[in-house]
This record gives sequence, C-alpha cells and structure tokens, in this order.
Amino acid sequence: AQSVTQLGSHVSVSEGALVLLRCNYSSSVPPYLFWYVQYPNQGLQLLLKYTSAATLVKGINGFEAEFKKSETSFHLTKPSAHMSDAAEYFCAVSENTGNQFYFGTGTSLTVIP
Amino acid sequence: DTAVSQTPKYLVTQMGNDKSIKCEQNLGHDTMYWYKQDSKKFLKIMFSYNNKELIINETVPNRFSPKSPDKAHLNLHINSLELGDSAVYFCASSPLGQGKYEQYFGPGTRLTVT
Repeated sequence: AQSVTQLGSHVSVSEGALVLLRCNYSSSVPPYLFWYVQYPNQGLQLLLKYTSAATLVKGINGFEAEFKKSETSFHLTKPSAHMSDAAEYFCAVSENTGNQFYFGTGTSLTVIP
Repeated sequence: DTAVSQTPKYLVTQMGNDKSIKCEQNLGHDTMYWYKQDSKKFLKIMFSYNNKELIINETVPNRFSPKSPDKAHLNLHINSLELGDSAVYFCASSPLGQGKYEQYFGPGTRLTVT
C-alpha cells in the first residue's frame, strides 16, 4: 500500500521568503508523485508532477519539487512567496496503474505581508 | 471551455432526502472519480470508473451509488441522506488510457444536510 505524509498542517511564511512544504511517501514500487493546490472554495489544481523523468520538476506559479528516492521525499519549494500563494497544498502518490491516488492530509500555507 | 464541471455547486437538503450530483468532463479522458473532502480537508476516494466500468469502490455506504451513462459523465446519487454526509464532493478525471496519471478536478459540490 502507498501512503503520503505531509509534515506540518500549517506553514506561515513572510511575503518574499522561501516556501518549503514537505512531503514523504511510502511505496514499494517507483511512484508517480503530484502536488496540487486548492484555493478557498475551489477544486484542486495540478501544480506539478513527477513521473520518473527528471528528478527536479518545475510547475506552475514558480513552484518546483525534487524527487529524492533515498529520502522518499518530494518537497515543494518556491524561492519567493507571494500573497496569492496562500492556499491549501496537497501531495499525492499514485501506484503504477494510476487507478488509485493517495493524498496527504494537506498543508495550509499562510503568507504574511 | 470548462474541463470538469459539476452541478450543483451548493446543495442544502434535509436528512432522509435523496439527491444527485452530476459531473461532466470534456477532456476526452476515460477514467473518472468521486472524492469526498471532509471539514478537515481530508480527501478520500469513493469511486473510480474506467470507460463506464466501476474499478474502485472504496468502503462507502451503499446509499451512495455512482452511475456512468457514458465515459464523459459520472453522476453520484445519494439515498437517505444523513448529517455525516455533509462534505464537499469532488469529481475528477484522468487520461489513464493515454499513459498519464494526473487527475483533473471539478470545482466541487458543497453538500449540507440539515
């Protein structure tokens, strides 16, 4: 079975500071990994995905994530936080048939002006 | 040009009623899903359909019944609604048939049972 752990249910950063949201996964096979963002009262929007190509993945809105197999991690980063980044962020892992997604419990990002 | 759409966006109803939520995707995907998001934002998959066939049926009460008339539509019917059914329900689709695994989500339906 696969699972995802997001450390820190709430993260606060100052505007312009580095954003780091942590995600660790457990999987017995090479996983597919995803980050989604959910703005208030909206659906989930795909930020970026790792599907066994380059380990450093660039996504939308200046976000990127690095797949580290040795650490079973897929942390999300952004060099400089913007007020519009305030949202809920979800990490997800998919097993290799893609039928089942396992979501983390989410991290709420607050950006302080 | 909405990719995954759901209706209604808000649904307020009383306990014991029966209600349906509709989902449509115009992305040409062959796999669709229903998720439930609780008040703590936890996302739980409920059902998955591939080309109109049920492939995932998680442990949900049998009061919940998905129906897929064609691969672009996946509706969710809920019988005898209970207070605990209050949540946001998301529909999603995925291009699994194209070898891609990401899922695309609808805007959600906020169900409130009183």
